[in-house]
Amino acid sequence: DSGVTQTPKHLITATGQRVTLRCSPRSGDLSVYWYQQSLDQGLQFLIQYYNGEERAKGNILERFSAQQFPDLHSELNLSSLELGDSALYFCASSVERTGQETQYFGPGTRLLVL
Amino acid sequence: KNQVEQSPQSLIILEGKNCTLQCNYTVSPFSNLRWYKQDTGRGPVSLTIMTFSENTKSNGRYTATLDADTKQSSLHITASQLSDSASYICVVRRGSGYALNFGKGTSLLVTP
Repeated sequence: DSGVTQTPKHLITATGQRVTLRCSPRSGDLSVYWYQQSLDQGLQFLIQYYNGEERAKGNILERFSAQQFPDLHSELNLSSLELGDSALYFCASSVERTGQETQYFGPGTRLLVL
Repeated sequence: KNQVEQSPQSLIILEGKNCTLQCNYTVSPFSNLRWYKQDTGRGPVSLTIMTFSENTKSNGRYTATLDADTKQSSLHITASQLSDSASYICVVRRGSGYALNFGKGTSLLVTP
């Protein structure tokens, strides 16, 4: 158990809908990272937050957005969902903000868009 | 083209045998290289991290090597166990920013 929690574990929805994925980092970790993992693409970095502020952006679509709240939990919002958005979404956390440190991954949220 | 290529794509070995997974990268400038182990349906777990000056790093039965000149890394697993069955992902960080480049992983199956 990494100490990072993600909810829900599974999510099934329809195209065009909007969903919110939630992540609680390890106690004491200020950085939260979101990743998407699909079968053919491997892990893709989406976005990083540090202590409530956006620090780095990766391959995140404009239909996706995220935020980190004062209690350091984070939410990833996916809107106008398409079939291709079906994937595993991982959240990771770390103490620092540089990316050099070890990231601890949560168990993931499996999203299926029908 | 992916800047981190892993081989083989998949591998089946007998329990107790050794194996070596490969990672070739073109990422530049190089900052560090990590190997992650990902069990099916679970989040990746860091095995090793290596910087430019490190050639070898071990974590139990896992030994990673790095040749920064040829931009190659390997992960050697000794005396494999059934629990080693997982996907092994090579991740290379570029420069001082946050650019992380992920390989697509090697899927390892250890059979009795």
